[in-house]
Amino acid sequence: AQTVTQSQPEMSVQEAETVTLSCTYDTSESDYYLFWYKQPPSRQMILVIRQEAYKQQNATENRFSVNFQKAAKSFSLKISDSQLGDAAMYFCASLRGSNYKLTFGKGTLLTVNP
Amino acid sequence: DTAVSQTPKYLVTQMGNDKSIKCEQNLGHDTMYWYKQDSKKFLKIMFSYNNKELIINETVPNRFSPKSPDKAHLNLHINSLELGDSAVYFCASSQDGIGTGANVLTFGAGSRLTVL
Repeated sequence: AQTVTQSQPEMSVQEAETVTLSCTYDTSESDYYLFWYKQPPSRQMILVIRQEAYKQQNATENRFSVNFQKAAKSFSLKISDSQLGDAAMYFCASLRGSNYKLTFGKGTLLTVNP
Repeated sequence: DTAVSQTPKYLVTQMGNDKSIKCEQNLGHDTMYWYKQDSKKFLKIMFSYNNKELIINETVPNRFSPKSPDKAHLNLHINSLELGDSAVYFCASSQDGIGTGANVLTFGAGSRLTVL
């Protein structure tokens, strides 16, 4: 079974600063995907970024980037130039190649201070 | 147009009642899901259908019965509702295969069920 661990229940950052959210996962598979989803107070689940395990290059999406350390099974999310609209619950998740079962971590609640 | 739409968004009902939540996706995706988010925000998969066929059935009480009349719809029916069923239920869909969009779940806005 896959497990995803987010060790930071809550984090805070000043507007315009950078913050890193941690995530570790456990899988015996070689083919898998990793995701970060954002859930703002509206409760809508929004995809932030996606990483295929076979790709060595870290994924980036504008101000969002990941640090994917495959050997360490670590998948942290860096948010640069934090904005008030980034305040949300952030979920790390993993998916086995053709398993269809997305496994979520327990989430990190990010507060952005003006 | 909403990609994954679920109705109702809010549902308040009494213990013992039977209720349904409907979900429709217009993305042409092959796979649909039901996830449950509890009061601590933990998200757990309940069911998954691929082209109308049940492929994932987690340890869910048999009071919960999913139904997929076609690839674009996945409904969730709950019998004899209990207090512990109170949660937010998310419908999602994804496209099979490889490529940039594959295996990315697109979620509906969630349905908050409150059982009194």
